[in-house]
Amino acid sequence: AAGVIQSPRHLIKEKRETATLKCYPIPRHDTVYWYQQGPGQDPQFLISFYEKMQSDKGSIPDRFSAQQFSDYHSELNMSSLELGDSALYFCASSSPQGTEENIQYFGAGTRLSVL
Amino acid sequence: AQKITQTQPGMFVQEKEAVTLDCTYDTSDPSYGLFWYKQPSSGEMIFLIYQGSYDQQNATEGRYSLNFQKARKSANLVISASQLGDSAMYFCAMRDVYNQGGKLIFGQGTELSVKP
Repeated sequence: AAGVIQSPRHLIKEKRETATLKCYPIPRHDTVYWYQQGPGQDPQFLISFYEKMQSDKGSIPDRFSAQQFSDYHSELNMSSLELGDSALYFCASSSPQGTEENIQYFGAGTRLSVL
Repeated sequence: AQKITQTQPGMFVQEKEAVTLDCTYDTSDPSYGLFWYKQPSSGEMIFLIYQGSYDQQNATEGRYSLNFQKARKSANLVISASQLGDSAMYFCAMRDVYNQGGKLIFGQGTELSVKP
């Protein structure tokens, strides 16, 4: 079965640079979520999109922005990168809202290192 | 606010034995979902099992079962017949069913090591 695809898998950037992370959800999934997992931490919710509209926002820095496109893929744009942004970034997708389960399936993650 | 607590930072289990990973939660929402995810050292987050707050029976998926005690607000994961490949970090998570965004709130995780 098709899974959530994230690219790139690894990314190395310098401080103050920008980065773009991409996420392709499971086919027919209309909701995308972004999480950030620091070293030794649990994942923290950043932002989510339902039918191409932002549906919820967590502790996402103003330097970050995201959107969901017409084909349901999503991109997380990160500017003015800081050392503290080094983390594993997950994208997850779930089936249409309104179903109780709404299980979120995660991609393999993008490991961002800021030097 | 919702909160998930996993009080076992690390657990050891002998291969082929059963192990229980603890998870307690706190929420004022009448309807919610509880999840367990496995994160191997390679980093990916793998969905294991789901329990809805109104489900009468405990969820089971192969060797995984969820011991759901609503009055105690606990949702412990039971892994039967442990295998070496079960060594990983395990996260308990909760989601508000009716929240449009449906974000997951995670616990701190439990690192399970299976000994041969």
